[in-house]
This record gives sequence, structure tokens and C-alpha cells, in this order.
Amino acid sequence: NAGVTQTPKFRILKIGQSMTLQCTQDMNHNYMYWYRQDPGMGLKLIYYSVGAGITDKGEVPNGYNVSRSTTEDFPLRLELAAPSQTSVYFCASSYLTGGDTFGSGTRLTVV
Amino acid sequence: AQSVTQPDIHITVSEGASLELRCNYSYGATPYLFWYVQSPGQGLQLLLKYFSGDTLVQGIKGFEAEFKRSQSSFNLRKPSVHWSDAAEYFCAVGYLNAGGTSYGKLTFGQGTILTVHP
Repeated sequence: NAGVTQTPKFRILKIGQSMTLQCTQDMNHNYMYWYRQDPGMGLKLIYYSVGAGITDKGEVPNGYNVSRSTTEDFPLRLELAAPSQTSVYFCASSYLTGGDTFGSGTRLTVV
Repeated sequence: AQSVTQPDIHITVSEGASLELRCNYSYGATPYLFWYVQSPGQGLQLLLKYFSGDTLVQGIKGFEAEFKRSQSSFNLRKPSVHWSDAAEYFCAVGYLNAGGTSYGKLTFGQGTILTVHP
């Protein structure tokens, strides 16, 4: 039972580059989320999805985009990387309410 | 807007001692509440959650939390701490919409780092 799988685990980007953070869950959860974690700041919700084809903004969506074409996958896209996007990114999923299962995270550095 | 405060940034206890981590939330409607634990370099693991019913909630690893509406608190407790409990702990709050469901838009506290001395 893999749970929530995130790739890559680490990435260094140059300013202005783009990338996609992958997230896959195998629990048939309808809710999926992307958070970013900065030191001493807890987790901030970037985007979330309540099902395939349905996404909405969270607290800090600027600079990011998401899509949800299947129940399993919820990729997060950074189009023009900026130093402020240096963070640890977590994907999570749940059946009804709350992020019950988290991935192990992607540590992104933008230089 | 909802908010969560974890007043203690860092707590140190001796192994075998009792533990209480504080969490206060601010929101007018009925909240639902979570505690998570994060070991270094790892994702978050759900310890327990409260939606309704009994205000004393049992979780994994011997943890429990008590919802006190009058104090807007959801403190995490453990009677005897083990060295393996050293980690960072996060409290989170969400809310139910009019339909009694939620989109899981959680607000997290800043976290409390727990150090355990042998």
C-alpha cells in the first residue's frame, strides 16, 4: 500500500525555470491537497481538489497551477520559478475531510 | 478567518514524564481539529482528529487530545513520553460547511518541537 507518492524528492531550479511536482495516491481518495512548508510557518494550503476535474485555490496559490484529470493524480505546476518558492512541498489526500495521508515531500530550492 | 495558535515553539521533557502540547483555535463555527506529528525529513502523520461527539479523543502512539469549546482549545497529551516521540507536532483546524461536509481546507499552527531527554 503506497499511500501518497511524491516525485521528485529534491530539486534545484534556476529562476524562471518551470517544473511539475508529481503526486499520486492509490487509496481512491476524492480529496487531494498541495501544501508548502516554510520554517516556523506551519503548512500553507496552495491548491486543493474535491474530485477529478475540480480544483480550487487555497491560501497561497500565486505562482502555481494544478490540474486533476484522474482521481489518482494531482500535479502541481510552477511556471516561472522564483526564490520565494523555495520550500518543502507536501501533497496529501483524504476520503472526506482533512489531509489524512501525506506524502514524504519535495524539497525545492530556487537559485 | 480561522487561525490556530501553538503557544510553545519548543518543549523539552524527560523520558517517562507526562506531556501536554497546547493548541488554541479561533473560529466562530463548529471546528474540526487535528494533531499531526512530523519527524525530521518526513511528511506529516495523523495522530488523531476530532469532528464531534466525545470531547476526549484517543489517537495512535498513546496520544490523546481533549476538545474544550469554552476555552477554544484542543491540547494534546501523553502520560509517559518515549524518546521516539521527539519530533515536531502540528495542530490544525478546519470547518464544516452548511451541508455538513468540508473541503478539507485546514489551517495549521506553527508547530511545537518536542525534545526528549533520556
